[in-house]
Amino acid sequence: DAKTTQPTSMDCAEGRAANLPCNHSTISGNEYVYWYRQIHSQGPQYIIHGLKNNETNEMASLIITEDRKSSTLILPHATLRDTAVYYCIVRVPNSGYALNFGKGTSLLVTP
Amino acid sequence: DVKVTQSSRYLVKRTGEKVFLECVQDMDHENMFWYRQDPGLGLRLIYFSYDVKMKEKGDIPEGYSVSREKKERFSLILESASTNQTSMYLCASSSREGRGQPQHFGDGTRLSIL
Repeated sequence: DAKTTQPTSMDCAEGRAANLPCNHSTISGNEYVYWYRQIHSQGPQYIIHGLKNNETNEMASLIITEDRKSSTLILPHATLRDTAVYYCIVRVPNSGYALNFGKGTSLLVTP
Repeated sequence: DVKVTQSSRYLVKRTGEKVFLECVQDMDHENMFWYRQDPGLGLRLIYFSYDVKMKEKGDIPEGYSVSREKKERFSLILESASTNQTSMYLCASSSREGRGQPQHFGDGTRLSIL
């Protein structure tokens, strides 16, 4: 799986958009980008994934650069319940099986 | 929505006991996984199963076994619990169909071995 780099921590005001970056400059052509988050003492929650096109679902948007070397997770209107650690993972689906979460970005949403 | 349900959120057992952790998913997923999560060590894969009665060892299978008799249920068994198996245990499932299907996790079982 390609290595990812994320900022250690970020702050965001409630109601504003939270933009979480991820660098994956060594990504290969068949690797997908996945985003998860984990709130303290709970299991990881899947957010969104993509290959090369931008993706949107009810939780978030995923913007992948044209060269696929970086991506941004966007939470359009952050709430206090979005405070969590966010993990960007790059991997080939159904290969290796174990997910490597790395250290992630600790997002704090403030009132 | 995908639902992965783990039987207990918190569990306390004694050393030497045989411990069963149960996981059920409701999305007809082929793949199921057991991980443990420890501070500073991240997620580590214990076992996974890609079909009923099929299983493969993950990175840290020692001291554990698994059972998958039905597609929706995947059980983790600690044969003789030890204090170093105190951890957060996470079950996940995923589909083999579609484009890059993600793993979906349960809420976890925080297991303490005394």
